[in-house]
Amino acid sequence: EAGVTQFPSHSVIEKGQTVTLRCDPISGHDNLYWYRRVMGKEIKFLLHFVKESKQDESGMPNNRFLAERTGGTYSTLKVQPAELEDSGVYFCASSHGAGVTQYFGPGTRLTVL
Amino acid sequence: SQQGEEDPQALSIQEGENATMNCSYKTSINNLQWYRQNSGRGLVHLILIRSNEREKHSGRLRVTLDTSKKSSSLLITASRAADTASYFCAINYGQNFVFGPGTRLSVLP
Repeated sequence: EAGVTQFPSHSVIEKGQTVTLRCDPISGHDNLYWYRRVMGKEIKFLLHFVKESKQDESGMPNNRFLAERTGGTYSTLKVQPAELEDSGVYFCASSHGAGVTQYFGPGTRLTVL
Repeated sequence: SQQGEEDPQALSIQEGENATMNCSYKTSINNLQWYRQNSGRGLVHLILIRSNEREKHSGRLRVTLDTSKKSSSLLITASRAADTASYFCAINYGQNFVFGPGTRLSVLP
């Protein structure tokens, strides 16, 4: 069984540009989560999808961040326009149910210059 | 704050020694999970312990949960250089998880 995959693994962009991160969850997992870890700090929850619906987006930092999960399969997280403080590692995770074991992808390291 | 807090923040031991990391939280939980992250890689799930459980084992890993003290510990026995990584506890209060800042473990050969 393939694990959670994320693309790209690294992204370096300039302030003001747009970046789109992609996450492919484990097949059959209805729950998909986005997290972010800014340098040296804790892993912070961004949002949670159940199928294509946003169950909880309380962790999204501001309206420059837009997450979608059309069709309830893969998800994208777009940052537009990117700011310096958006740099960090963005993790995606998926699970069968909510509140059970989450399986993480390798993360996308975003650097905003 | 519902944030889990691990301690110590960093731990350095010799190969063969045991490593203990702790995680504290503030309110009642559904379950608590421990994850490992090797440098530059994703998080790997280690153990999930439910609020009605007190201890779980997996190989050289032992996790305890004390709900009266609102704390959990992760013990790695007979450590190896390959155990060098960051370890995170993730607290489940409902549908989502709150992570602590992690403990950076270095196992020296």
